[in-house]
Formats: sequence, structure tokens, C-alpha cells
Amino acid sequence: GAVVSQHPSRVICKSGTSVKIECRSLDFQATTMFWYRQFPKQSLMLMATSNEGSKATYEQGVEKDKFLINHASLTLSTLTVTSAHPEDSSFYICSARVYFELNTEAFFGQGTRLTVV
Amino acid sequence: QKEVEQDPGPLSVPEGAIVSLNCTYSNSAFQYFMWYRQYSRKGPELLMYTYSSGNKEDGRFTAQVDKSSKYISLFIRDSQPSDSATYLCAMSALGATNKLIFGTGTLLAVQP
Repeated sequence: GAVVSQHPSRVICKSGTSVKIECRSLDFQATTMFWYRQFPKQSLMLMATSNEGSKATYEQGVEKDKFLINHASLTLSTLTVTSAHPEDSSFYICSARVYFELNTEAFFGQGTRLTVV
Repeated sequence: QKEVEQDPGPLSVPEGAIVSLNCTYSNSAFQYFMWYRQYSRKGPELLMYTYSSGNKEDGRFTAQVDKSSKYISLFIRDSQPSDSATYLCAMSALGATNKLIFGTGTLLAVQP
């Protein structure tokens, strides 16, 4: 299947600093990518939908000034957690959907475990 | 009512057992149905997808969709300890920009 690469896989940062997470589609072009957050033993919570060349669409309750999303090309979307705090510590996962004929499949990155100390 | 309901488990079965994982949904606009497997601290891995009612088989896995009942299932035959993971159902309406709605995931443990 298609490959979505996410980097870094793990990051520890100090409170108040910003962290950038990259998500790349390696063998296909993704006009739309999705960013999720997952707490331990819970399902994925959609944070925002990232559209190439336009502003991201954020889900209700997600602060767009805190979670900056940039989708500058068809193969790269970034999520920047600004002024991180310990409560931002979580597992962040990106996803891209791709069409194969009439079907659509969603592929996920490996995830980024963010720890804010 | 949540759009997608999934029993969180945990579900513990002996090696070789047949496992049945299920989700129900309420939105009749959902047309694409997917099952993901997620190991601890990893991103979800797509197992199977389907967009029609009926059964779809891939090796030891069978995905079943009943749109009239708004019910989907994943069956795992001859379960192995390596199948121990969290299984997430996901679904969406038509279109690549439509967001996936996930179930809460079912934690499966296959005992050797």
C-alpha cells in the first residue's frame, strides 16, 4: 500500500517551546491530509484536515493558533505545536487518503509521541 | 449517540480461535468501511477496506458489511499471538476529503 512517513517518531521538549512534526506521502500525491491526536487507550481524535494550498479546517475545540498546520506541497504537511505545555503531551498521527479506481484508502504515518516537560 | 460504536474489550482468546470484532454506526451516508490494526505506540495499519455490503476475504481476515443493519464485522480465523493489538473500525462518506470516523477500538489478546 501507499506509504506515509512521519517524523520525528518521538520528541521531548521543554514547556513553552514549539515542536514541528512532518508528514510526507512517499509514493503518491495527497491533496488532503488529516491530523489526529490519540491519548493512551483511546481512539484517534481528528484535530484538523489539511488541504494543499489552502487553510486547514480544524475540528471544534482545537485551537488553530496552537496547532499550526501547513500543507505547502502535495507530499508534505506539517503540524507545529506552539508554546507546548505538558497537557499537549500525546501521540500525534497524520493520515492521507488516496483513490484507487473507485476505492479510497487512508494510510497513516507511524505517529509522533510528544512529551512536554 | 456516537456515530460509530465499538466494544472496547479487552477481548482475550486462545491461539487458533476465531475472533469476531464488530462496529455499529448511525450515519447512513457512510459508504467506505475500513479496519485498522494498531500495535502499542505505533500508527494504525490498514487491514481491509470495503465499500459494499457483503463479505470480503483476505487471508485469515474477513470483513463483513451489512448496510441495512448499519453493522460491520471483522473476523480473524486461526488467530495468532501476533494478532494481539487494538483493532479500529473506521468509516466515511464518499470522497477523499471526507473525514474518517473511528470506533474506540477493541483490544485483542491472543493467548499462546
